[in-house]
Amino acid sequence: TQLLEQSPQFLSIQEGENLTVYCNSSSVFSSLQWYRQEPGEGPVLLVTVVTGGEVKKLKRLTFQFGDARKDSSLHITAAQPGDTGLYLCAGEPGGTSYGKLTFGQGTILTVHP
Amino acid sequence: DTEVTQTPKHLVMGMTNKKSLKCEQHMGHRAMYWYKQKAKKPPELMFVYSYEKLSINESVPSRFSPECPNSSLLNLHLHALQPEDSALYLCASSQNPSLAEELFFGSGTQLSVL
Repeated sequence: TQLLEQSPQFLSIQEGENLTVYCNSSSVFSSLQWYRQEPGEGPVLLVTVVTGGEVKKLKRLTFQFGDARKDSSLHITAAQPGDTGLYLCAGEPGGTSYGKLTFGQGTILTVHP
Repeated sequence: DTEVTQTPKHLVMGMTNKKSLKCEQHMGHRAMYWYKQKAKKPPELMFVYSYEKLSINESVPSRFSPECPNSSLLNLHLHALQPEDSALYLCASSQNPSLAEELFFGSGTQLSVL
């Protein structure tokens, strides 16, 4: 059983469209992180959400942490081809695994010009 | 310097070869990690070093042998690998070993085992 269920797994959209990626769990997380990875590179941290109900904005990206700290979402407005990549949510369930991050399965986003 | 540097970027090896992957960071981070990633899949944790001591081994086969010579360096020694070990190997570091906080990843070594 995957601790972090990420959906959708694949997303192919046209430039200018909006999209939302979801990250859900039955476990409570002390924090959740979102990473973006381009082919041939390592993941790069986009944001960390810590407080239940928290909303963080990063230009056209909006991140939300659920009130119960069991889920998170990433919303991209007016997607651009440069947004193409693998998006990963990650967290440490219950904050007790001491360095063992759990990753979601990832969402492969392709934005067509 | 906020970089994690991995070498080599690409590696092709036979099943009888011995090779090593190297990772370096100069951010003063006290936790370093090895992850294995197959194409279009999330990274899978292999090893965690905390204050230069191995703290987590995710039941990785002994043909993978990690080493942490000092707080800035992390190696992964490879011996008698199998074709299914072909993958992107990512090194990462974080400031505090007690918390799975922000990970800084290197660009990875793309390994092909023939």
